[in-house]
Amino acid sequence: DTAVSQTPKYLVTQMGNDKSIKCEQNLGHDTMYWYKQDSKKFLKIMFSYNNKELIINETVPNRFSPKSPDKAHLNLHINSLELGDSAVYFCASSQTQGDQPQHFGDGTRLSIL
Amino acid sequence: AQRVTQPEKLLSVFKGAPVELKCNYSYSGSPELFWYVQYSRQRLQLLLRHISRESIKGFTADLNKGETSFHLKKPFAQEEDSAMYYCALFTDRGSTLGRLYFGRGTQLTVWP
Repeated sequence: DTAVSQTPKYLVTQMGNDKSIKCEQNLGHDTMYWYKQDSKKFLKIMFSYNNKELIINETVPNRFSPKSPDKAHLNLHINSLELGDSAVYFCASSQTQGDQPQHFGDGTRLSIL
Repeated sequence: AQRVTQPEKLLSVFKGAPVELKCNYSYSGSPELFWYVQYSRQRLQLLLRHISRESIKGFTADLNKGETSFHLKKPFAQEEDSAMYYCALFTDRGSTLGRLYFGRGTQLTVWP
């Protein structure tokens, strides 16, 4: 009964491809997030959604498009993948926007060849 | 601008030794500070938060507003404490703009 689950755990693909990462939470939380952890382990927020509505878009290229079909899901679609997109992407959720703590998924390691 | 600084990328101590992971922050508002931990092959999880003022797994952290610090301490380190530790600053509580800012993390290794 994982609280925040992401799929896939690993994603290896070539430059220029389009890929998606899925995230689901069963905590009944209203708010979900995507974070990017780079090769130096620096963790930075990309997006947050509250009840399916985009709240935070942290200067992320528009090749990244989050989609929230309902408040329990937040998927991340990436177009035209670039080498610099290689990272670990973490999904997280919190009870409400502006609330803590956040609960994190296991992460998706994306490798661009 | 908001910023969280963890000056040590790597920290190694021997089992039983005291450990202190440093964290400094920069924020003009009222800060909320957290420590998150990521054990090997596990997800990031909350370790402790300054408002609860509790001790988790023997770790404590005190918010020092004068020095803008939130250092994590444990008097006697254990091997199972080896992990990546992130200090995080939460801003704008109650606002739609509320978000976590993470430091770059400190990899703690406790040798037997």
